[in-house]
Amino acid sequence: QVQLQQSGTELVKPASSVKISCKASGYTFTSNYMHWIRQQPGNGLEWIGWIYPGNGNTKYNQKFDGKATLTADKSSSTAYMQLSSLTSEDSAVYFCARGTRTWGQGTLVTVSS
Amino acid sequence: DIQMTQSPASLSASLGETVTIECRASEDIYNGLAWYQQKPGKSPQLLIYNANSLHTGVPSRFSGSGSGTQYSLKINSLQSEDVASYFCQQYYDYPWTFGGGTKLELK
Repeated sequence: QVQLQQSGTELVKPASSVKISCKASGYTFTSNYMHWIRQQPGNGLEWIGWIYPGNGNTKYNQKFDGKATLTADKSSSTAYMQLSSLTSEDSAVYFCARGTRTWGQGTLVTVSS
Repeated sequence: DIQMTQSPASLSASLGETVTIECRASEDIYNGLAWYQQKPGKSPQLLIYNANSLHTGVPSRFSGSGSGTQYSLKINSLQSEDVASYFCQQYYDYPWTFGGGTKLELK
């Protein structure tokens, strides 16, 4: 069955960067858009952007331009999101999602000194 | 960006009751709407897509309706396992946007 397995909890310092992974299985990785979504504590959901692993094309929410960088490794069917210049405002759970239908379990990123 | 206004923010209902959650878009989203259920510590699970299509494996007591800018999710005969937060999401246009969520509790 379709599964998205995300990397584990991250505790990172302000001004640093972090790279989260999302390993896909059970479907053709290169033929499906991979989306990334953020959920801040007590807050709603925000769409960050997508990557099309087949050709590496990306589309970002303007709000996350310069904050998030999406990449994908076809050989391992893994999508990545790097978040840079982290502040406490970036503390959140980050999800990868294959369209609307399948979501990863989420990765908690905590930014704290 | 398309704004999604969801109501109510919280809802208390009894077992067996029927509940309805509403979502209003700031412009026509042409049925490009999904509903999700999220339980604490878990990822959102798709319930409804294209405004009124039931996702595979979702119980038939869940239904979606609406068009244009107004959409709703109805849960018939509320069960204890339905206690969760519910979100609407428009995918008609980028950036995708979500409603603020509805927390459903048992009375």
